[in-house]
Amino acid sequence: AQSVTQLDSQVPVFEEAPVELRCNYSSSVSVYLFWYVQYPNQGLQLLLKYLSGSTLVESINGFEAEFNKSQTSFHLRKPSVHISDTAEYFCAVRTQGGSEKLVFGKGTKLTVNP
Amino acid sequence: EADIYQTPRYLVIGTGKKITLECSQTMGHDKMYWYQQDPGMELHLIHYSYGVNSTEKGDLSSESTVSRIRTEHFPLTLESARPSHTSQYLCASSNPAGTGVTGELFFGEGSRLTVL
Repeated sequence: AQSVTQLDSQVPVFEEAPVELRCNYSSSVSVYLFWYVQYPNQGLQLLLKYLSGSTLVESINGFEAEFNKSQTSFHLRKPSVHISDTAEYFCAVRTQGGSEKLVFGKGTKLTVNP
Repeated sequence: EADIYQTPRYLVIGTGKKITLECSQTMGHDKMYWYQQDPGMELHLIHYSYGVNSTEKGDLSSESTVSRIRTEHFPLTLESARPSHTSQYLCASSNPAGTGVTGELFFGEGSRLTVL
């Protein structure tokens, strides 16, 4: 069975600072990896995904994540955050070719302060 | 923007009441899911459906039940609510395999249930 560990439950940063949200996963088979974002009082939205190919994937709003198979990690980064990035971020994994169910981490609450 | 809708958004009820959380999607997705979300915890899958008349229990045991009579509709029912059912319930759907992003879920805005 897969599992996802998000190492930080809360990450406070100042506006325009860089940020990294950490995600490690455990799986005995190959996986697909996802980051979802949840703004206050809203549902989750897909931020970016790794399915295959380039291990560095990017979102339209400046976030990027790198799949590292040897370290079983999929950390999310942004070089300069905005107040509007304040949200909760969830890392998720599903196995390739198996069940289509996603397994989520506990989430990291990113707070961007002025 | 995802076309998946949940009602009610917020519900406060007394113990023992029967409640139904509604979920509808207009994207024609075959696969639909219910997740339970508590603060600081993982989202837990409690029910899923891969099509009409198909429902399965998820990884987290739940006293709720679901039905899938129409493709677009996936309601969740609690016959007798208890304080332990207090949580946020998120409905989601996904593209049929091979026609879109593998495994991408589209979520509703959630139904926050409080049982007194």
